[in-house]
Amino acid sequence: GDSVTQMEGPVTLSEEAFLTINCTYTATGYPSLFWYVQYPGEGLQLLLKATKADDKGSNKGFEATYRKETTSFHLEKGSVQVSDSAVYFCALTSNTNAGKSTFGDGTTLTVKP
Amino acid sequence: DAGITQSPRHKVTETGTPVTLRCHQTENHRYMYWYRQDPGHGLRLIHYSYGVKDTDKGEVSDGYSVSRSKTEDFLLTLESATSSQTSVYFCAITSPGETQYFGPGTRLLVL
Repeated sequence: GDSVTQMEGPVTLSEEAFLTINCTYTATGYPSLFWYVQYPGEGLQLLLKATKADDKGSNKGFEATYRKETTSFHLEKGSVQVSDSAVYFCALTSNTNAGKSTFGDGTTLTVKP
Repeated sequence: DAGITQSPRHKVTETGTPVTLRCHQTENHRYMYWYRQDPGHGLRLIHYSYGVKDTDKGEVSDGYSVSRSKTEDFLLTLESATSSQTSVYFCAITSPGETQYFGPGTRLLVL
């Protein structure tokens, strides 16, 4: 079945540092790939997505590229801020599976001033 | 923000009692999901619905049942709550292959 493996946390960075959170996936067909972010006490919300190979999703300075050859969708940001502290989830959705999503376990990011 | 609400937002109950959580959407999405979130486990799918009266099990469905009598409402019932069901429960809605929109969550504590 489908699976998502993302980099274990927690990750602690200083403000303005470069961020990479690795995500790899296993899926049949051609899934859509997502990064969600969860702030304390809230539900998950979409950060960015890509629906086909070589697509780049971007939002709020975060980027991720859908790499079919390496089955990866790594999240990057060039300069993190304290306000980026949150839990980040990589996920895939297959449109042949009742819209169900498969989530990674989440990576907790803490950014220190 | 997607129109999705959950009630109650917090619940404390005792072992052996039934508990029902409600998810309500105003977006007319066909697909609705119930997840639980626990430390070290990410999000795990409990049950999902692909239409009124159409539901199916997820990966951790034991001890839970669901009902969907209207497009906008998806109910999750813990038939006889146990301490292992202490968790944060999230409802989500989507269209196939698209972004999932999550509710704010329900924190359940089973004593």
